Amino acid sequence: AAGVIQSPRHLIKEKRETATLKCYPIPRHDTVYWYQQGPGQDPQFLISFYEKMQSDKGSIPDRFSAQQFSDYHSELNMSSLELGDSALYFCASSAGEAKNIQYFGAGTRLSVL
Amino acid sequence: DAKTTQPPSMDCAEGRAANLPCNHSTISGNEYVYWYRQIHSQGPQYIIHGLKNNETNEMASLIITEDRKSSTLILPHATLRDTAVYYCIVRVSLGYNQGGKLIFGQGTELSVKP
Repeated sequence: AAGVIQSPRHLIKEKRETATLKCYPIPRHDTVYWYQQGPGQDPQFLISFYEKMQSDKGSIPDRFSAQQFSDYHSELNMSSLELGDSALYFCASSAGEAKNIQYFGAGTRLSVL
Repeated sequence: DAKTTQPPSMDCAEGRAANLPCNHSTISGNEYVYWYRQIHSQGPQYIIHGLKNNETNEMASLIITEDRKSSTLILPHATLRDTAVYYCIVRVSLGYNQGGKLIFGQGTELSVKP
């Protein structure tokens, strides 16, 4: 079965650079969630989208923005990167009557040097 | 969403049942208990969820006490591949189109040993 696809899997950036992470949800899933997991920490919710509209927002820095496109894929844009942004970034998707079951991608590991 | 309390770590012998407890004493009537797990640095994986009745699927069983203040996730025959951090999450089951973020607290690090 198709799963959530995230790209790239690994990304290395310098401080103050920008990064774009992409997420392709499971087909026919209409909701996308983004989570950040720092080293040794639990995943923390950043933001979610339903039908291309932002549906919820967590502790996402103002330097970060995200959107969901007409094909339901989502992108997380991160600007003015800081060392503390180094983390695993997970995308999850859900849909329909199984709305509350989120399926996670393999994540993007971002390293800021 | 109600707060949950889990032991930070547990060991289990391979082939034996792993019983992972979770306390959620402030759970309200419309809140479900969800279990996810995260194998080292992989994306979290949904296991099972329930409201008040015991639930079973191909991965695990979920036993919820009658007063719903605690629950136990049971992996009937643990394997080495079940070594992971297990998260118990309590949240309202929202209506269609409302989704809902997962709030991950401190989970239980389960080590399955040969």
